Amino acid sequence: GAGVSQSPSNKVTEKGKDVELRCDPISGHTALYWYRQSLGQGLEFLIYFQGNSAPDKSGLPSDRFSAERTGGSVSTLTIQRTQQEDSAVYLCASSLSAGAGVPGHFGDGTRLSIL
Amino acid sequence: AQSVAQPEDQVNVAEGNPLTVKCTYSVSGNPYLFWYVQYPNRGLQFLLKYITGDNLVKGSYGFEAEFNKSQTSFHLKKPSALVSDSALYFCAVRDITGANNLFFGTGTRLTVIP
Repeated sequence: GAGVSQSPSNKVTEKGKDVELRCDPISGHTALYWYRQSLGQGLEFLIYFQGNSAPDKSGLPSDRFSAERTGGSVSTLTIQRTQQEDSAVYLCASSLSAGAGVPGHFGDGTRLSIL
Repeated sequence: AQSVAQPEDQVNVAEGNPLTVKCTYSVSGNPYLFWYVQYPNRGLQFLLKYITGDNLVKGSYGFEAEFNKSQTSFHLKKPSALVSDSALYFCAVRDITGANNLFFGTGTRLTVIP
């Protein structure tokens, strides 16, 4: 597609459930980022993938969070045993390469609400 | 540690007037600075960046930003605001310890009044 695609656009789930968020980056983009945007706060870096290199997981807030990127394209962010503080908009971004140092293209995000 | 601050949560400006959205930064070494815009229910869009060179950087949609090293600022500006410029604006600085991360400000909501 023309842009970064994220699904679902909205997700409501009960506390304690697991959720999976999907990101389909722009074709050919080797760098992929996940960010979290909480109400009234800026964006919080979660994880970064670059090609076949080991991902930079330094931003993941707890071991309940994990992400993978299959075949260098689609990425899935998984949150296990969700908590209310996980409620946020989760944004995915991609870039042609890491050399730009910039997540250049963002998806519209997944709005996650934990009841 | 690197950080940016956006001192104003909300900025209102009349259509046709010049607009400024403020950003100050804190970073050791030379900063890489960015501006993004977020329209309602949409992801962020890259507006412009400063890496090196001219202090006045021009970006998308007629926006520009001025890098001021002495004031550690990178304010976003536009000579004549449009109603369609109403959005949330984020300033960001790149993590100098690696290329993997940007530190974002908390955002400034710009409202352009017709």
